[in-house]
Amino acid sequence: SAVISQKPSRDICQRGTSLTIQCQVDSQVTMMFWYRQQPGQSLTLIATANQGSEATYESGFVIDKFPISRPNLTFSTLTVSNMSPEDSSIYLCSVERGGDRGDEQYFGPGTRLTVT
Amino acid sequence: AQSVAQPEDQVNVAEGNPLTVKCTYSVSGNPYLFWYVQYPNRGLQFLLKYITGDNLVKGSYGFEAEFNKSQTSFHLKKPSALVSDSALYFCAVRESNAGKSTFGDGTTLTVKP
Repeated sequence: SAVISQKPSRDICQRGTSLTIQCQVDSQVTMMFWYRQQPGQSLTLIATANQGSEATYESGFVIDKFPISRPNLTFSTLTVSNMSPEDSSIYLCSVERGGDRGDEQYFGPGTRLTVT
Repeated sequence: AQSVAQPEDQVNVAEGNPLTVKCTYSVSGNPYLFWYVQYPNRGLQFLLKYITGDNLVKGSYGFEAEFNKSQTSFHLKKPSALVSDSALYFCAVRESNAGKSTFGDGTTLTVKP
């Protein structure tokens, strides 16, 4: 398994500002993912972040709005830029450990963001 | 392209009764199939997966799922439901050569005492 921590756990931000969310894993992992989830709703994949390469963004998400860093095999950040109330959501970090496509994913506890 | 469907938004069962949460999928090649659970105010947890081999896979908390290739289904089952099984369940599929999994919309399971 993998233990994932996220900081902050929650935040209330003003529109127009930016927030950087940190994801720390207790072991080296190949693939990291960032998701968005409304409480009790489905997951929406924002991007896939592999160490040493640019993040791959899903349709509807762009790097200028959601820049991602992946400096090493245990850490990643997601920044939500120029926030609006529509960005209010739970942001989840997820990892796969070994790069085997049969590996399951592990999820962080989430960052609950409210934009006012 | 890969896709997954969870046809029921909600499933309600009485404690002690068997439960089934449905999942169907569509892939071009061989599927890898997963179930995850999200308990209230907690993170997503892995339950079980099918990669290859025996069509019946067993996972955490007494859950099991059966891979049915002809029906392209991977339904989650438990012989006797507990109130503590009440949660949001996600099915996910990944083609064997795909870079990421596709998650279903989720099914809320409510087990009543």
